[in-house]
Amino acid sequence: DGGITQSPKYLFRKEGQNVTLSCEQNLNHDAMYWYRQDPGQGLRLIYYSQIVNDFQKGDIAEGYSVSREKKESFPLTVTSAQKNPTAFYLCASSWLEGAEQFFGPGTRLTVL
Amino acid sequence: ELKVEQNPLFLSMQEGKNYTIYCNYSTTSDRLYWYRQDPGKSLESLFVLLSNGAVKQEGRLMASLDTKARLSTLHITAAVHDLSATYFCAVPGYNNNDMRFGAGTRLTVKP
Repeated sequence: DGGITQSPKYLFRKEGQNVTLSCEQNLNHDAMYWYRQDPGQGLRLIYYSQIVNDFQKGDIAEGYSVSREKKESFPLTVTSAQKNPTAFYLCASSWLEGAEQFFGPGTRLTVL
Repeated sequence: ELKVEQNPLFLSMQEGKNYTIYCNYSTTSDRLYWYRQDPGKSLESLFVLLSNGAVKQEGRLMASLDTKARLSTLHITAAVHDLSATYFCAVPGYNNNDMRFGAGTRLTVKP
């Protein structure tokens, strides 16, 4: 089955620790996105990538980093510089920019 | 900056009633997307509207797009409890580089 997977489903981070969230898609989509969602809020764009080895900052990129070494994979690292990382993180992909986005199941990150 | 505004943000309605959710956006776009999110879950695609005057229907939900007015509507007919969820509209950003989402409309359907 084609789709987007994210892991882990739940993640706990200690203060000062970097953590990496995984996002993999087998839809052969070129574009991939990371969003953050706080409780009761909408989606805010962290980073997006339209092609392998290229990515752009979204609205709230500070304290986050990404890589796009393979078309299928777009991992997100939440660094210690992100002071309030507790949130629900959603990865999405689309076959080209501006097209319908398909979402993974999400990772819920909690800072202890 | 592209702005996408939904209203209402919260909607409580009784089963069997009709209602409309509105999505306004601030720049020209010939496409708009509607998504549904259940509590604690991810977003699920509902409708893809790709041209002015587009209308899509799925069960008790009908979406339409007026690109000249920069307005999309999501109409709910004879609501049932299963429709309780948060509904988001989304519009491609400048140069189609990203997608801008509305704040979401949290719908609660009561018996």
